[in-house]
Amino acid sequence: GAGVSQSPRYKVAKRGQDVALRCDPISGHVSLFWYQQALGQGPEFLTYFQNEAQLDKSGLPSDRFFAERPEGSVSTLKIQRTQQEDSAVYLCASSLGDRGRGELFFGEGSRLTVL
Amino acid sequence: TQLLEQSPQFLSIQEGENLTVYCNSSSVFSSLQWYRQEPGEGPVLLVTVVTGGEVKKLKRLTFQFGDARKDSSLHITAAQPGDTGLYLCAGAQGAAGNKLTFGGGTRVLVKP
Repeated sequence: GAGVSQSPRYKVAKRGQDVALRCDPISGHVSLFWYQQALGQGPEFLTYFQNEAQLDKSGLPSDRFFAERPEGSVSTLKIQRTQQEDSAVYLCASSLGDRGRGELFFGEGSRLTVL
Repeated sequence: TQLLEQSPQFLSIQEGENLTVYCNSSSVFSSLQWYRQEPGEGPVLLVTVVTGGEVKKLKRLTFQFGDARKDSSLHITAAQPGDTGLYLCAGAQGAAGNKLTFGGGTRVLVKP
């Protein structure tokens, strides 16, 4: 596609439910990042993939958060047993180069609300 | 606590006025980027600065990277309503490439 595509755009979950957020990066982009943006804040790094390899997951807030990119293209961020503090916009970004070199292109984000 | 501190957090001005947004840190960055984010959208890259003391101009926007590569500023001349948005600075450190550390953002409102 022309840009980074994320789905769903909006997700409302009851506390304790599992959610899955999808990211379709720009075709051919090697690097893929997930960021979490709380209301009124700047984005915070969650995890980084180079192709299918998850090279950095230091930003994942707990073991309830899991991300994968099995074929080096589409990525899924899964949150198990959601909590209210997980409410945020989850942004996916991709870049052409490895280690995130080159311009970073962001998707529109998936807004998660946990009730 | 954000590693990059942006000020002010919110700025409301009239069309035609000038404004400056600051981004400060105690850490050194190999490069610093400025983004603009509109409601319901992802951040969009405006500029990347990599050399201490560097100044870049993008039409009415002027970006400066501090000599010590710890701080940056964004100056907008003769602001227009289309400049309204959330301005974010983001720093990259060493070999981390584009693993970016973002500031908390400055929300700019330009009233017609």
